[in-house]
Amino acid sequence: DTEVTQTPKHLVMGMTNKKSLKCEQHMGHRAMYWYKQKAKKPPELMFVYSYEKLSINESVPSRFSPECPNSSLLNLHLHALQPEDSALYLCASRVTSGSYNEQFFGPGTRLTVL
Amino acid sequence: AQSVTQPDIHITVSEGASLELRCNYSYGATPYLFWYVQSPGQGLQLLLKYFSGDTLVQGIKGFEAEFKRSQSSFNLRKPSVHWSDAAEYFCAVGPGMNYGGSQGNLIFGKGTKLSVKP
Repeated sequence: DTEVTQTPKHLVMGMTNKKSLKCEQHMGHRAMYWYKQKAKKPPELMFVYSYEKLSINESVPSRFSPECPNSSLLNLHLHALQPEDSALYLCASRVTSGSYNEQFFGPGTRLTVL
Repeated sequence: AQSVTQPDIHITVSEGASLELRCNYSYGATPYLFWYVQSPGQGLQLLLKYFSGDTLVQGIKGFEAEFKRSQSSFNLRKPSVHWSDAAEYFCAVGPGMNYGGSQGNLIFGKGTKLSVKP
């Protein structure tokens, strides 16, 4: 299995809702990433997990809460989002042993906040 | 400062014509260089990567890129563009060592949108 999967593909939520995004990989990668991507922009790094521990939080508002329950799974919990949080949310993973290697990206979750 | 510059925001080429997308980088250490492609509403797919060795690297879908250290460039090329190549292309640079956590991050250029005329 050489892919990163993300669910759901699309999500529409109100500003008072609580929802979660899920990312899964079975490539044995021990670094996992959440990115936010607005239209016509490059991906913007949000969080990095290394060996299931949060190693980077790029000053992301607390209404976004990441979780890495095991080495294959990465969640992003959403609560009280704002319309400006509407974007494509991408998950990625990377090998952490041996020489540097590329990040593998999932297909993304298109989030719309009403 | 570490950065990646893609000077062309939008390029339009005719189907069958050749293509070159430019990428320049500024990086303190030996960089690892990548080109990713993104179709609308999709994730990023790796086209090719350069770590070391031969400076001309071949990728998927008939793409190639040439690393020129003296020019700090890693331009992407394709001899004959197909309509299905229309997409957004991102150049990215990563550290030359396999750092975990904070140091193992990619720096992306702003992207070049490729349109293909029939």
